[in-house]
Amino acid sequence: AQSVTQLGSHVSVSEGALVLLRCNYSSSVPPYLFWYVQYPNQGLQLLLKYTSAATLVKGINGFEAEFKKSETSFHLTKPSAHMSDAAEYFCAVSGISNYQLIWGAGTKLIIKP
Amino acid sequence: DGGITQSPKYLFRKEGQNVTLSCEQNLNHDAMYWYRQDPGQGLRLIYYSQIVNDFQKGDIAEGYSVSREKKESFPLTVTSAQKNPTAFYLCASSSPQGNTGELFFGEGSRLTVL
Repeated sequence: AQSVTQLGSHVSVSEGALVLLRCNYSSSVPPYLFWYVQYPNQGLQLLLKYTSAATLVKGINGFEAEFKKSETSFHLTKPSAHMSDAAEYFCAVSGISNYQLIWGAGTKLIIKP
Repeated sequence: DGGITQSPKYLFRKEGQNVTLSCEQNLNHDAMYWYRQDPGQGLRLIYYSQIVNDFQKGDIAEGYSVSREKKESFPLTVTSAQKNPTAFYLCASSSPQGNTGELFFGEGSRLTVL
């Protein structure tokens, strides 16, 4: 069965520092992988997605993620954090059906001034 | 602009009352979804619909009902049978053509039971 694990419910970084949010998955089929961002009291917005093309995926707002099959990981990074990056981030993997995504529990990113 | 509109944004309900959350999309998407979000639990699928007049239960359908009479609309009713309905509810849609699972979300409805 597919599953997604996000390490750390909260991650705190200083403004200007590297952002690293971790996501590990399990899947019995080649996966599609996603990162979504959610600002307070809003819906989710797609940051980036991996669909079996390039393993390094670039998204919006300067974020990128690398698909590592050997490590079953899809960690999200950004070289320099900005205050506006404070939000909750969700990793998701496609299920057996394309109509069902499997979601991680989310990681709240806190930016310290 | 195309998108998904959820209403109301905030809703208060007394115990024992049914409430209906509205979800409308103008993206011409065939598939629509309802998720429930609780702190620290990610998103849990309540119901989804791949096509008009058809829908399937998700992981936590008990105490909820839906209808899909029009492509654009997928309302969710939270019934009195739902034991813990206070939550943030998210509606989403996707297009099946070349579908890779990407979802488009509304801004959510926050339901509080008094």
